[in-house]
Amino acid sequence: SAVISQKPSRDICQRGTSLTIQCQVDSQVTMMFWYRQQPGQSLTLIATANQGSEATYESGFVIDKFPISRPNLTFSTLTVSNMSPEDSSIYLCSGQGGGWLGYTFGSGTRLTVV
Amino acid sequence: AQRVTQPEKLLSVFKGAPVELKCNYSYSGSPELFWYVQYSRQRLQLLLRHISRESIKGFTADLNKGETSFHLKKPFAQEEDSAMYYCALAGFQKLVFGTGTRLLVSP
Repeated sequence: SAVISQKPSRDICQRGTSLTIQCQVDSQVTMMFWYRQQPGQSLTLIATANQGSEATYESGFVIDKFPISRPNLTFSTLTVSNMSPEDSSIYLCSGQGGGWLGYTFGSGTRLTVV
Repeated sequence: AQRVTQPEKLLSVFKGAPVELKCNYSYSGSPELFWYVQYSRQRLQLLLRHISRESIKGFTADLNKGETSFHLKKPFAQEEDSAMYYCALAGFQKLVFGTGTRLLVSP
């Protein structure tokens, strides 16, 4: 199965600033996704990262707050913009496709906003 | 819309006891279901997928379309099974997770 490298693994940021998280897959994947996992909770899908076009956002998430890029089939970024303490969470990327079943996940980015 | 329900937040058993982690789903199409496990301080890992009908680490899960369930079972729990378990459903080109069940296996 594909391996996903995600960075940074953790960061502490000031409110009002932005952080960009990167995910690199070691093989081409059809679909890439971004999730948020708030403390003690399950994974919530933020958006599907579409290669060469705008991401598809889930209800409650907007492009201005979480802009996403996917320039090719192996790379994607998620930016958390104008951060507030409520954005403190673990952010994960996931990839699916490329000849194998199931979804593989990155190791996550633990974000703390102070 | 697709939905996954895991009714138990915590399941606590003794080593050697049988385990069943419940998962029910709601989906209008033909579901593709998974169980993921997250051990302490580790990344989320795929445990089982229903189409493979495999057994991993002694765990099995059978899709019951009549009851819209995909319960995870293991006949004899081990301490190393202690982890968070998430049931997930793939549909409409995205993967949706349940709220998770923490399994705690005591010696």
